[in-house]
Amino acid sequence: GESVGLHLPTLSVQEGDNSIINCAYSNSASDYFIWYKQESGKGPQFIIDIRSNMDKRQGQRVTVLLNKTVKHLSLQIAATQPGDSAVYFCAEESNDYKLSFGAGTTVTVRA
Amino acid sequence: DAGVTQSPTHLIKTRGQQVTLRCSPKSGHDTVSWYQQALGQGPQFIFQYYEEEERQRGNFPDRFSGHQFPNYSSELNVNALLLGDSALYLCASSLATTGTDTQYFGPGTRLTVL
Repeated sequence: GESVGLHLPTLSVQEGDNSIINCAYSNSASDYFIWYKQESGKGPQFIIDIRSNMDKRQGQRVTVLLNKTVKHLSLQIAATQPGDSAVYFCAEESNDYKLSFGAGTTVTVRA
Repeated sequence: DAGVTQSPTHLIKTRGQQVTLRCSPKSGHDTVSWYQQALGQGPQFIFQYYEEEERQRGNFPDRFSGHQFPNYSSELNVNALLLGDSALYLCASSLATTGTDTQYFGPGTRLTVL
């Protein structure tokens, strides 16, 4: 079936280091991808998005990479801070308006 | 700029009861989607409303129904509650005409069914 999944359920990173969160998707028809951050007790917060006609997009301290050949998406966070500790979800959308989420990666930043 | 708001924040019901959750979209948005998020999992799409009609539906039973009002706000109704309906219910809004479809989420309503 179609699904969006993350390679690792947890990631521990030292404060100040760079973080890389990976995601694999299976629906080749998906043309829009979003990374969300969810802190405990809150709703998902939009981080960055990318369309299938791009392979890289940069934001403030974050970069999303899309490899359509292997259906892989990654989120890179530069100079990880304690406030980056959260669950990160990748989500995909095709032409049916709904977002499909994976199970998420829990990022813990060590001081 | 008002973001997505949801009410109530928390709700406790018993099996068999009915519940109504409410959502106001982000200012300027016209589309509302509802998601169910069980503990430790990613959100699961329930349905989406646009122009006061259900435009798309996920794999949820008919006990889950919704409505969108002319001011774009929306309600999610769940009948005959089951223990398994306990979850965080998220509302997301977007603007259909931009083509970006970026969905912005509210804080959610935590539903507990006893």
